[in-house]
Formats: sequence, structure tokens, C-alpha cells
Amino acid sequence: DVVMTQSPLSLPVTLGQPASISCRSSQSLVHSDGNTYLNWFQQRPGQSPRRLIYKVSNRDSGVPDRFSGSGSGTDFTLRISRVEAEDVGVYYCMQGTHWPLTFGGGTKVEIK
Amino acid sequence: EVQLVESGGDLVQPGGSLRLSCEGSGFTFSSYAMTWVRQAPGTGLEWVSSTSDSGGTTYYADSVKGRFTVSRDNSKNTLYLQMNSLRVEDTALYYCAKGKWLRDIDYWGQGTLVTVSS
Repeated sequence: DVVMTQSPLSLPVTLGQPASISCRSSQSLVHSDGNTYLNWFQQRPGQSPRRLIYKVSNRDSGVPDRFSGSGSGTDFTLRISRVEAEDVGVYYCMQGTHWPLTFGGGTKVEIK
Repeated sequence: EVQLVESGGDLVQPGGSLRLSCEGSGFTFSSYAMTWVRQAPGTGLEWVSSTSDSGGTTYYADSVKGRFTVSRDNSKNTLYLQMNSLRVEDTALYYCAKGKWLRDIDYWGQGTLVTVSS
């Protein structure tokens, strides 16, 4: 199985400051069809997950443009340009290139 | 508005069975792959099973293979998860989710809680 490793586990951030979450996979996420199936999800406290980013860098409809995704191969990053109070929660990366689908362990974003 | 509403979660004894349901609305259910993901209390997300739009292709996590069966009734816009031989470690909030293709998840339901305990 592809192991997804996120860092850091916890990310205290000052409001208005940037934040960055890393996600590394144990093997390349480039599919034979040429796509890289790497998604990012946000789970606010008490809520179900919500997809923010799909295929590495494509932002979902309604997602603020302060969220961006980048990376390739085995190394990916989610960036929040200026953290707002509503961004508090746990962020997960997920790979859909290889079966079984696997998630990272999560990064908890909190306000300092 | 897209909605996925799970039901069927309950307290069950080890070795017991349960069937979860997930009714979709606000989108063309038969055109989407569907997935079950679970989250044990205070932990992260674990993929359980996925099925193609027709139900003709299914995948399972090793941890549930042979015990869980995913199915769907597109005429009722409903996804199912038949869970047999339940174990304490199956205790979790079970989410259903949809995706444009089999390896995709783009929207999640609110979840239904399964507790396996004697």
C-alpha cells in the first residue's frame, strides 16, 4: 500500500500569516493515464471532510483562493496564503492513483 | 443541492451484522462512483470500499475484505454497505462519498456511527 506521510502533525499559525503542509507518498502518484491523483481535504471540528484541491493543484468550486496545492511525483504541498479563523481544523492528503486509496495521518491547524 | 444521507449505524455485538445505507440527491446518482470511508473516534480517515457508477466494479480494503459487501440500487439512488462478522476495531463513523470516477472523492455525507461492543 502507498503510505502517505504528512508533516507537521500540528501547525499553530498566527491569523493572517501563511501556512504550509507537506505530504509525501511512498511511491510515485503519477498514474499510467498521466494524471496525478492527489487530493487535499479539510475537516473542520465536528464536520465531515470537504475537498479543497484535486489532482494536485485544482481548487474546488467555492474554495477560497488563499488555498493552493503544488507538487509532483512523491512530494506535495498545501499552502494557505493568509490563515483565517475558519481555517482551523485537520487537513488530510489522499492518493487515488493506486489501490487501496490511502490518506495521510492529518495535520491539525490551530490559531496561536 | 447535493446531499448524501447515511443511515443504519447502531450498537452491535462482536460477530454481528449491520447494513448501512446512503441516499443521494441533488445529482445524477447513477453517473457517480461511490465510496465508504470510516473514521474511528479521534483518529484519521480510512478508506473502506468503492464501487463504480454501475456497481459492476468494486474494491475493498484488506481489513474488511470477505466481511463487508458494497452494493448500490441506482433506481433508489442508494448505496449500501453490508457489514458481517463485525469486530471491535470496526467501530467508527462511516461516511459515504461520491466521485466522478472510481478513484475520486469530491463530496462527503455527514456519517453514521457504528459501535461494536459487548
